[in-house]
Amino acid sequence: GEDVEQSLFLSVREGDSSVINCTYTDSSSTYLYWYKQEPGAGLQLLTYIFSNMDMKQDQRLTVLLNKKDKHLSLRIADTQTGDSAIYFCAEIENTGNQFYFGTGTSLTVIP
Amino acid sequence: KAGVTQTPRYLIKTRGQQVTLSCSPISGHRSVSWYQQTPGQGLQFLFEYFSETQRNKGNFPGRFSGRQFSNSRSEMNVSTLELGDSALYLCASSPSESYGYTFGSGTRLTVV
Repeated sequence: GEDVEQSLFLSVREGDSSVINCTYTDSSSTYLYWYKQEPGAGLQLLTYIFSNMDMKQDQRLTVLLNKKDKHLSLRIADTQTGDSAIYFCAEIENTGNQFYFGTGTSLTVIP
Repeated sequence: KAGVTQTPRYLIKTRGQQVTLSCSPISGHRSVSWYQQTPGQGLQFLFEYFSETQRNKGNFPGRFSGRQFSNSRSEMNVSTLELGDSALYLCASSPSESYGYTFGSGTRLTVV
């Protein structure tokens, strides 16, 4: 199956920018996603990017996609303590109905 | 607009029992997927249903099964529970393929 990799931990100071990285293997992915999971909760869709785009910005969130290197990143500007959570990158296979999730990056925001 | 509703939120079962989890998708969503989340294995795909048909199945034993009803509500069943089945089970719905998947809050199953 497809392989999606993320670093496990990231720690930033409140007000700084956070950058969470992800690499994937399926070059036929149509959409790539970022989900957020807070303790005890399900997955919250943050944003997604279509594979023919290089960048997508949505308020404090910027997604960059390097399709040649199969690298996806999520930048959170002005990181707040409420952003502390686990962030999952996911790709959907080309049949369109199965996600492959990364291991998740645990973001800790230090006040 | 109501989100994806999973019931129950928490469940404790003993080894050997069977369990049924329920998922009500967002109104109008016809695709329902199930995922298992554990600390060791992360998020793993169980199966996906669309218009009452299972279109895709992950690599889980036959003890894990599911179904979808005509109103798009879905259930998953795990028979002969094992300790390793303890996990958060997440359901997601979408109006169509590839995008717009919304996840529920999950059912936390503990097998003792």
